[in-house]
Amino acid sequence: DAGVIQSPRHEVTEMGQEVTLRCKPISGHNSLFWYRQTMMRGLELLIYFNNNVPIDDSGMPEDRFSAKMPNASFSTLKIQPSEPRDSAVYFCASSFEGGWGELFFGEGSRLTVL
Amino acid sequence: GDSVTQMEGPVTLSEEAFLTINCTYTATGYPSLFWYVQYPGEGLQLLLKATKADDKGSNKGFEATYRKETTSFHLEKGSVQVSDSAVYFCALSHNAGNMLTFGGGTRLMVKP
Repeated sequence: DAGVIQSPRHEVTEMGQEVTLRCKPISGHNSLFWYRQTMMRGLELLIYFNNNVPIDDSGMPEDRFSAKMPNASFSTLKIQPSEPRDSAVYFCASSFEGGWGELFFGEGSRLTVL
Repeated sequence: GDSVTQMEGPVTLSEEAFLTINCTYTATGYPSLFWYVQYPGEGLQLLLKATKADDKGSNKGFEATYRKETTSFHLEKGSVQVSDSAVYFCALSHNAGNMLTFGGGTRLMVKP
């Protein structure tokens, strides 16, 4: 079975450019999470969707960040405009109803903003 | 609010040594507790979990016991291997919505 699929795996861009990260959750999972991982701040939850609806976006750093989930099989995280401090590994994870904390993570998208 | 505190790393051990990574939590009620592992270049994956007090989670030779009285969930392994080198995250969850609160992670390095 395919796991959580993220793209791109690596992205290098210049400050001010728009960045779009993509995620395909595991089929049948109804919850989706976007996390950011840095050495300084560790693992941070950015936003959480349940049944395609954003439930908690309190971790989204600022208005430059936006996330969408137009259907059960696709989500995007967009940064516009990007800044060097956005450099991090961004993970998408999904889980199923009643999964009790078992999240399935993708391999991450490593973003470098120059 | 909920929080999870792990011992800071890196933890460096020789192969076949005994491993303990400490984890304590602050939470109301009776959360479920988890250990996740992140191998180099990969996402996190569930290692083990325990859903109620005194439960012991185990997997791949790793164990952790849910201690309500000390609010702890320490990870142990009797004999580590080089392939266990990774970052280990302790986490808790209150609900079936699967919202997790993670600790800061502990890097384990095992030398041959």
